[in-house]
Amino acid sequence: GAGVSQSPRYKVAKRGQDVALRCDPISGHVSLFWYQQALGQGPEFLTYFQNEAQLDKSGLPSDRFFAERPEGSVSTLKIQRTQQEDSAVYLCASSQVPGQGLAGYNEQFFGPGTRLTVL
Amino acid sequence: AQKVTQAQTEISVVEKEDVTLDCVYETRDTTYYLFWYKQPPSGELVFLIRRNSFDEQNEISGRYSWNFQKSTSSFNFTITASQVVDSAVYFCALSEARLVNSGYSTLTFGKGTMLLVSP
Repeated sequence: GAGVSQSPRYKVAKRGQDVALRCDPISGHVSLFWYQQALGQGPEFLTYFQNEAQLDKSGLPSDRFFAERPEGSVSTLKIQRTQQEDSAVYLCASSQVPGQGLAGYNEQFFGPGTRLTVL
Repeated sequence: AQKVTQAQTEISVVEKEDVTLDCVYETRDTTYYLFWYKQPPSGELVFLIRRNSFDEQNEISGRYSWNFQKSTSSFNFTITASQVVDSAVYFCALSEARLVNSGYSTLTFGKGTMLLVSP
């Protein structure tokens, strides 16, 4: 079965360019997460969607970062006027919405990530 | 605030050696989940184990074992008879167990431990 896919796998941008990173979650997964992983660091939460609703964007580092999921499946993370500090791997994860029990139980399935390099 | 500390940045072993990866966490929640993920060079995070805070039983899965000590806030991971294919970055992560109405919880990752297993 298909897992989470992300495209492109690698993106090189010149400082100041806008970029768009795509995530295709596992079919039927309602929850979608974006994480940023800087070199030598662990992933850090950026934003969360439940269907098309962006319920948490507390991790977005600046207003240059924008994410959307208009039809509740594919999501796009857009970074405007990229800066060198935006260079990182951007990971997408999806999970099922909890039906019963505690929310922390649901496993997040990760995509391979998009490695963004800003020159 | 939640925090996960993986003090070992890099560990090098020779094949067939046993190796333990340390993880110490901080949380004010009484209910939480702990995870280990493997990140091979391909970049995708691979789920290894989830443990909830109520269950302090140690777990063994093949060559992998996990030691959860709530008293010391540690969740260590041991690989027995390591193999070259075990070479990867390993992340410990923590998740709050939020009430089901909130619908989600995010993962807080440590910085990871790079394990290099040589033949």
